[in-house]
Amino acid sequence: GEDVEQSLFLSVREGDSSVINCTYTDSSSTYLYWYKQEPGAGLQLLTYIFSNMDMKQDQRLTVLLNKKDKHLSLRIADTQTGDSAIYFCAEDNGGSQGNLIFGKGTKLSVKP
Amino acid sequence: SQTIHQWPATLVQPVGSPLSLECTVEGTSNPNLYWYRQAAGRGLQLLFYSVGIGQISSEVPQNLSASRPQDRQFILSSKKLLLSDSGFYLCAWKAGPFSYEQYFGPGTRLTVT
Repeated sequence: GEDVEQSLFLSVREGDSSVINCTYTDSSSTYLYWYKQEPGAGLQLLTYIFSNMDMKQDQRLTVLLNKKDKHLSLRIADTQTGDSAIYFCAEDNGGSQGNLIFGKGTKLSVKP
Repeated sequence: SQTIHQWPATLVQPVGSPLSLECTVEGTSNPNLYWYRQAAGRGLQLLFYSVGIGQISSEVPQNLSASRPQDRQFILSSKKLLLSDSGFYLCAWKAGPFSYEQYFGPGTRLTVT
């Protein structure tokens, strides 16, 4: 079945780079996503990558995709305290409905 | 620009009471609409999705139902709430079958007592 796995916690110091990792199982996924959730809020779409790409960069964010290993990562450069949040990896289920399968989220804590 | 609204923001309801949560989207037409639940432990579970007015697909059997009476309105309901219905309910939309960006609303925190 479809499954998305993430580590639950990551702690970094302000100014360091953060790398959040994710593995997925559905090889028919067209896009893979990263969302950010701050306490008590909805999910904010950070970035997404087409499944035939291996890298996408957007300002401080770099997404790497290893399709062979079904591994996705999100690198945040120069991590700030405002980056503290839960980060969700998601894959689409390959259908036109656009249903997403989410991981349980990685809680990023940034220490000053 | 497009915006998505959910209300109420928070709700405390007793077991056995009915439920109605509303989601509306502005600035787009014929969106795909989704209801997710985020329970303790942070995982998101897709509950329902809709590709058009009156078209509802359920992902998991449960005590809840959904309706789409208008193009940009999506409602989540229950006739009798259970304790296990507590959670954070999120509505999301995307601009039809050829869009890949799914956007979420601010959520409704439901506590069933």
